Amino acid sequence: AQSVAQPEDQVNVAEGNPLTVKCTYSVSGNPYLFWYVQYPNRGLQFLLKYITGDNLVKGSYGFEAEFNKSQTSFHLKKPSALVSDSALYFCAVRDTQYGNNRPAFGKGNQVVVIP
Amino acid sequence: NAGVTQTPKFRILKIGQSMTLQCTQDMNHNYMYWYRQDPGMGLKLIYYSVGAGITDKGEVPNGYNVSRSTTEDFPLRLELAAPSQTSVYFCASSYSWTGANTGELFFGEGSRLTVL
Repeated sequence: AQSVAQPEDQVNVAEGNPLTVKCTYSVSGNPYLFWYVQYPNRGLQFLLKYITGDNLVKGSYGFEAEFNKSQTSFHLKKPSALVSDSALYFCAVRDTQYGNNRPAFGKGNQVVVIP
Repeated sequence: NAGVTQTPKFRILKIGQSMTLQCTQDMNHNYMYWYRQDPGMGLKLIYYSVGAGITDKGEVPNGYNVSRSTTEDFPLRLELAAPSQTSVYFCASSYSWTGANTGELFFGEGSRLTVL
């Protein structure tokens, strides 16, 4: 079985401050991990992914995420938040165990960047 | 490239009416998905398909039907619309999850459906 938890409903951060959005996962095999962003009235857009290798992955718009196997986490980070980063962020996991054809999404985190 | 295209963008239905949400993709992806998004509830998978002629149920399939006659198209049919089907519907596609294909999804812009 696979699942994702995004424990916070909303993350508020001042513009220019570091932004962190938390994600923990549960899988039976090895995880492929993804972050997506959704701007108002738009579809989800892919931000970044962890497949293997370096635990720190970099993605679009200055975002990065760190894979931590011991803590089963994949937190999304940005060193300096912009007002334009205000959006809904989804973490997703794909369990590489054979036969799995669909990803599991978290419930999403609303990020509000305060000017 | 157009990517994933959904129509219509908005629709209001009366209880008991039926309709089809259209989804087409031009990326030659084998996998296609239909999700619904309700406020604070994240994404719920309705149906998915791993190739033409193959479909399977997701978490919340009741009240919906799908077909996949071509690689490009994956329409979602709502039969006997109910207020509980008021939602935003997203179609998505991805490459098969094999080898180097890591399965990130490409989403359409959504279809907002209201059932009154």
